[in-house]
Order: sequence, then structure tokens, then C-alpha cells
Amino acid sequence: SAVISQKPSRDICQRGTSLTIQCQVDSQVTMMFWYRQQPGQSLTLIATANQGSEATYESGFVIDKFPISRPNLTFSTLTVSNMSPEDSSIYLCSVLDYEQYFGPGTRLTVT
Amino acid sequence: AQKVTQAQTEISVVEKEDVTLDCVYETRDTTYYLFWYKQPPSGELVFLIRRNSFDEQNEISGRYSWNFQKSTSSFNFTITASQVVDSAVYFCALSEWGGATNKLIFGTGTLLAVQP
Repeated sequence: SAVISQKPSRDICQRGTSLTIQCQVDSQVTMMFWYRQQPGQSLTLIATANQGSEATYESGFVIDKFPISRPNLTFSTLTVSNMSPEDSSIYLCSVLDYEQYFGPGTRLTVT
Repeated sequence: AQKVTQAQTEISVVEKEDVTLDCVYETRDTTYYLFWYKQPPSGELVFLIRRNSFDEQNEISGRYSWNFQKSTSSFNFTITASQVVDSAVYFCALSEWGGATNKLIFGTGTLLAVQP
């Protein structure tokens, strides 16, 4: 199975700032996904990031707030822009490598 | 619309007890996938199983077993002889078959606490 790493593992950020989360996979994968897990909640898909095309966002998520890059088949970034306390969540990167595997997550706290 | 319901919010058992986690799903698709993931306190989501809608055979993997019943739209997960290390949040999920997005629809999760 694919091995996925995320940076940072956690961060505490000030309201109004932005944070970029990196996701690295140890093998080439076509489909990468970004999910959000709000405190005590389930996971919700933010967007699907395929290399060579624009990310596809789910209802309720917009590119201005969550810009995504996918420069190659092993790497992606998600930026959480102009953060507010409501953005405090775990952000998880996921890849489709026969099965869908998840990274360890980035725990974001916005104060 | 697709939906996954995990009615059990929290379950507490004593070690060595058997426990079943319920999952009921809704979809208009005739072909789809069902999944179970485990999220231990560390937060990482661990893949446990994927079943496709054509395969209703129950599956057993060590102490884990899964019962898929299309007639009741359920995909239940049983842990036999539970251990403290099984303590985690368990998520059931659904995705379309062969779709362009492979989007996972998650249930709200069941927190399993196994007491020593």
C-alpha cells in the first residue's frame, strides 16, 4: 500500500493567516483527495486533485478558500486561506492506490 | 443521494467480549463499494476492508468479520474477542463504482472503547 506523509503534523495559527499543508506519497498515483474532519465529526471531502488538471471541489468548498496544487504524481498541497476558528480541524490527504489510503493528518487549531 | 448511517455513537465493552458495529447505507446506484476504516487515538485512518456490491459473501480476517446484506442495505462489522488495542473510532463508508471521483461518503463513526 502507498505510504503517505503530511507536513506539518499539527499547527496553531492566528485568525486571518494562511497555512499550506503538504502531502507526499511514496509512489505515483493519479487520484489524490483532501478531506476535512472537524472536531468529533466524520470526514468530508474537500476536493479531488488529479495531476494535470484543476482540482474538483465539493459543494461548500471553494478554490479561493482552499487552493490546491498537484504539480506531479507524488505530491499535493492544500492551503487553508484567511483562517477562522471554524477552520480548526484535521485535514487528511488520501490517495487511490487500488484501495483508498489516508495520510496521518494535519491537526490545525485556529485562535 | 448517498448516505451512510452508523446509529451507534459509542460502544463500551470489556476485553474478550464480541462486539458488532452497525452500518446502514442508502444509494440509488446498483453498483457501489462499501468500506470500513479504523481511526485510533493517533488520528490516522487505517483501511480495513472494501466490498463491492456484487459480492455478498461474508468475510473473515482474523478476529474481524463483516456481514454484507444487500436486502437490508447493511454492512456490519464484528470484532471477536475484543482487545484494548481495538479501541478506536470506526467509520463505515460508501463510494460509487467506477465513477470519476471515487468519493467516499462516510458515516458519523462509532467510538469503541474496550476496557481491560
